[in-house]
Amino acid sequence: DAGVIQSPRHEVTEMGQEVTLRCKPISGHDYLFWYRQTMMRGLELLIYFNNNVPIDDSGMPEDRFSAKMPNASFSTLKIQPSEPRDSAVYFCASSSWDNTGELFFGEGSRLTVL
Amino acid sequence: KQEVTQIPAALSVPEGENLVLNCSFTDSAIYNLQWFRQDPGKGLTSLLLIQSSQREQTSGRLNASLDKSSGRSTLYIAASQPGDSATYLCAYNYGGSQGNLIFGKGTKLSVKP
Repeated sequence: DAGVIQSPRHEVTEMGQEVTLRCKPISGHDYLFWYRQTMMRGLELLIYFNNNVPIDDSGMPEDRFSAKMPNASFSTLKIQPSEPRDSAVYFCASSSWDNTGELFFGEGSRLTVL
Repeated sequence: KQEVTQIPAALSVPEGENLVLNCSFTDSAIYNLQWFRQDPGKGLTSLLLIQSSQREQTSGRLNASLDKSSGRSTLYIAASQPGDSATYLCAYNYGGSQGNLIFGKGTKLSVKP
């Protein structure tokens, strides 16, 4: 398996623009997670899905953030409008209930909002 | 509030040394605890996962232990190598649900040749 695939790897945008980050989880995994990593706050869970259904979105910082999982092989994290404080590395991860909960991460999407 | 503390924040050792990284957490009702490695500009790679019912796990030169009563886990690295240089993060899963994973901020390890 190719692992968790994220795109884009790097995104530079201007404040106010819409940003869409994409994730393809490992085939067969039924959990998908979106994390954000910054130097100040470390890794923070934004939202996670189980069988394509959002389970906990309490980590989503504001209404400007939204996430969808239209099918088992694709998820998006959207920021609209983006702000400089959203600059961070956004990670997608997936796991399987059958696999003892081991978490597999993508390479991340580094977002810079100017 | 669930929290994970990793001490030290950074560690530099000469090649060949055995070392221990520490992780403490606030919740004894954990589902599992995982140790990850993160290389600069990369994602996290799972190293070891210890289920709540287990006390330790081993993989090659790595050994992780779990003491729920004291809220501590250690990652032992034997015969360290320059290739071990990375940031090591500890995370525990609380509440019996896969989604509730709380991360520490990591220990940045540098192994000097």
